[in-house]
Amino acid sequence: GAVVSQHPSRVICKSGTSVKIECRSLDFQATTMFWYRQFPKQSLMLMATSNEGSKATYEQGVEKDKFLINHASLTLSTLTVTSAHPEDSSFYICSAPRLAGGPDTQYFGPGTRLTVL
Amino acid sequence: DQQVKQNSPSLSVQEGRISILNCDYTNSMFDYFLWYKKYPAEGPTFLISISSIKDKNEDGRFTVFLNKSAKHLSLHIVPSQPGDSAVYFCAASSSDSNYQLIWGAGTKLIIKP
Repeated sequence: GAVVSQHPSRVICKSGTSVKIECRSLDFQATTMFWYRQFPKQSLMLMATSNEGSKATYEQGVEKDKFLINHASLTLSTLTVTSAHPEDSSFYICSAPRLAGGPDTQYFGPGTRLTVL
Repeated sequence: DQQVKQNSPSLSVQEGRISILNCDYTNSMFDYFLWYKKYPAEGPTFLISISSIKDKNEDGRFTVFLNKSAKHLSLHIVPSQPGDSAVYFCAASSSDSNYQLIWGAGTKLIIKP
């Protein structure tokens, strides 16, 4: 069964509104979670690394004031897209590595399809 | 600058035959390589991985080969089945990267019945 969940799976919103996406590790604790974005027919782009108890680390070119990340607990990270615009429409995926696991213990959520009208 | 490249956007293979997906990388610091399978509107699922200290890893129908000198790895699926139709991503990481994965662009594999 799934070990990382995302909610919601799909969201449609109006331009200018904010959208919050939750990522939860279901049966393990994750001090680190990763947020990715995927455009159609393209690779996964790492947006930021979410760290429990400290600030997120953003990749170059990703606006931290637009994509707010909060790692509230060892099992929950949230990504808030603020003042969303149509160009923010994309497929957002989170992942979480198990503590003390290797790279192949990184589990991915099912993704969230965001459509901004 | 793409550090992980999958140069074939798509690949079509007859059911029962071997599927070979290729991946090249440029960063010699990568020491762990992974293959993921992804269906539309779903998150990637881990398939198989290989450490840089090995040149081959096999798991059932899936085998990954690593050629460090050529900075090249490949995923072999044999025999190919219709359920294997998906997008396959190659990813790489280095031991000091806190599990960050660098992804290729993916190859869409189509298995023809």
